[in-house]
Amino acid sequence: GAVVSQHPSWVICKSGTSVKIECRSLDFQATTMFWYRQFPKQSLMLMATSNEGSKATYEQGVEKDKFLINHASLTLSTLTVTSAHPEDSSFYICSASPGTGESEPQHFGDGTRLSIL
Amino acid sequence: GQNIDQPTEMTATEGAIVQINCTYQTSGFNGLFWYQQHAGEAPTFLSYNVLDGLEEKGRFSSFLSRSKGYSYLLLKELQMKDSASYLCAVMDSNYQLIWGAGTKLIIKP
Repeated sequence: GAVVSQHPSWVICKSGTSVKIECRSLDFQATTMFWYRQFPKQSLMLMATSNEGSKATYEQGVEKDKFLINHASLTLSTLTVTSAHPEDSSFYICSASPGTGESEPQHFGDGTRLSIL
Repeated sequence: GQNIDQPTEMTATEGAIVQINCTYQTSGFNGLFWYQQHAGEAPTFLSYNVLDGLEEKGRFSSFLSRSKGYSYLLLKELQMKDSASYLCAVMDSNYQLIWGAGTKLIIKP
């Protein structure tokens, strides 16, 4: 149980393109989903917390107009990297947990490797 | 501030035992998690401790001492596939996960 699916796995596109990444909880409902970014050989960095039916909470230093998050249902959150540039190239990972405000482990999607040329 | 400390890198031999330590200082405590992350992949959940003591799960065990702000992950009978980064994460009083930088474990034949 507790499977999180993330799509696409790889994206290679030109600078200036907007890229949408989907994160789905397949066998549970997720009121809250999390979006992380990880640069090579570095730790996970939380970008934002996505809340179903309300605005996402962004971490300090993360541009909310650059990284648009939509959590329209209890099983789907999307992250759109708008007008992506080479410095946005990174490994983006979503996670979700079956519980709300409980000490449930977060289960991760497989991640999306984004390369901006 | 909130802080999670774990060694950057460790090396061990196939078949041996290795202990990866994690110390933490957080605002509140609602449990400690260990995750495994292979290069280029997303983290996978290994263990969860909220009470003091040792939790054993096959070749992996995790220990917690809340009074000392300390945990370790013990890996026995090491296999080459155990080469990965091991991430320690603490859930604070707001149920936010605070992540350590990870320990890269290198297994040698």
